[in-house]
Amino acid sequence: DTEVTQTPKHLVMGMTNKKSLKCEQHMGHRAMYWYKQKAKKPPELMFVYSYEKLSINESVPSRFSPECPNSSLLNLHLHALQPEDSALYLCASSQEGQYYNSPLHFGNGTRLTVT
Amino acid sequence: QKEVEQNSGPLSVPEGAIASLNCTYSDRGSQSFFWYRQYSGKSPELIMFIYSNGDKEDGRFTAQLNKASQYVSLLIRDSQPSDSATYLCAVLISNFGNEKLTFGTGTRLTIIP
Repeated sequence: DTEVTQTPKHLVMGMTNKKSLKCEQHMGHRAMYWYKQKAKKPPELMFVYSYEKLSINESVPSRFSPECPNSSLLNLHLHALQPEDSALYLCASSQEGQYYNSPLHFGNGTRLTVT
Repeated sequence: QKEVEQNSGPLSVPEGAIASLNCTYSDRGSQSFFWYRQYSGKSPELIMFIYSNGDKEDGRFTAQLNKASQYVSLLIRDSQPSDSATYLCAVLISNFGNEKLTFGTGTRLTIIP
């Protein structure tokens, strides 16, 4: 079982909906990440929070909005998504700040379908 | 040139044999290397990480790093059907002063009973 918990596991939403993905870790990790993964492709980095501050935004469209309420929680707010945004959304955390040689630990992911 | 390259496979290995997975990277200054296993429809799971040249063993898994040749490999001894998965190589690469974990496209491994 993963120590990074993501909810929901599956989400179907229309293009006009607003929804949020949630991620939680209680390992005391100081960095948290959002990745997007399409079928048969490697994970693509979206956002990195290091010590609760947004440190990387990989030119992600504004319809994706991250939020880090505290060091254990990470949200991804979704609004006006497109069908091509359908993918597996992965949350990850690492012990030290952003990277610094510490491995990423992934959650089980949220399978998002945009209709 | 891709930053992290892997043979996409599929790589088929008989049960009980050694599976060898290879990865090359472009940034000579990279210091941190990771292997993740991903079952279909699941999230990546950390298998090994290696920072120093040479071999690092953990159970049936051995990671090998050669910084001079810019390659890292993963050996799986006594391969089991449960090892059938996609294996992702990830390298910490510096990009204009920012470090970024860059994944290869993955190698799909099938263990044949």
